[in-house]
Amino acid sequence: KAGVTQTPRYLIKTRGQQVTLSCSPISGHRSVSWYQQTPGQGLQFLFEYFSETQRNKGNFPGRFSGRQFSNSRSEMNVSTLELGDSALYLCASSPYGGDEKLFFGSGTQLSVL
Amino acid sequence: GENVEQHPSTLSVQEGDSAVIKCTYSDSASNYFPWYKQELGKRPQLIIDIRSNVGEKKDQRIAVTLNKTAKHFSLHITETQPEDSAVYFCAATPTAAGNKLTFGGGTRVLVKP
Repeated sequence: KAGVTQTPRYLIKTRGQQVTLSCSPISGHRSVSWYQQTPGQGLQFLFEYFSETQRNKGNFPGRFSGRQFSNSRSEMNVSTLELGDSALYLCASSPYGGDEKLFFGSGTQLSVL
Repeated sequence: GENVEQHPSTLSVQEGDSAVIKCTYSDSASNYFPWYKQELGKRPQLIIDIRSNVGEKKDQRIAVTLNKTAKHFSLHITETQPEDSAVYFCAATPTAAGNKLTFGGGTRVLVKP
């Protein structure tokens, strides 16, 4: 099976712009979650989608949003970018979520200038 | 919400020695505790996990212990090898919530040959 695929791999944006990141989960996986990784804050949970519904949400401002399509592919959007949004954004998938192994993608490295 | 603290933040050991990483959590509803290893420039990968109905789990040179009363769990690596050098993250979640992992800050382990 193909692993979790994230595109693009690298992204450079300027403050105030918006960005959309994409994640294709492993075939058959219905849970897709997103994490922000920074050197100072570690890995922080953004949100989880299951069967096209947001099931969980972390403590991020409303500028961070996401969605999941019927084929389980997911996108996350960040509007009005701030310098502090520079981070590695990781997507992870699992069959159902909960007490399961997460399969992470390679991430999208976002730099906000 | 859940808060996970991880210690130490860095750990240097001699090859062949043991390494121990400790985590504490705050939410008594958490019942799933995975450990992820992230090598430099790579994606996080699950190395072991434990559920609240057991106190210890082993997988070759790796073991995890859980003390639900004290709300802490630990990762033990025996006979360390250079390929064990990586950043290790503990995490906790209440499984009824789907996937909403709260990660510790990470421990950078360096195994010196």
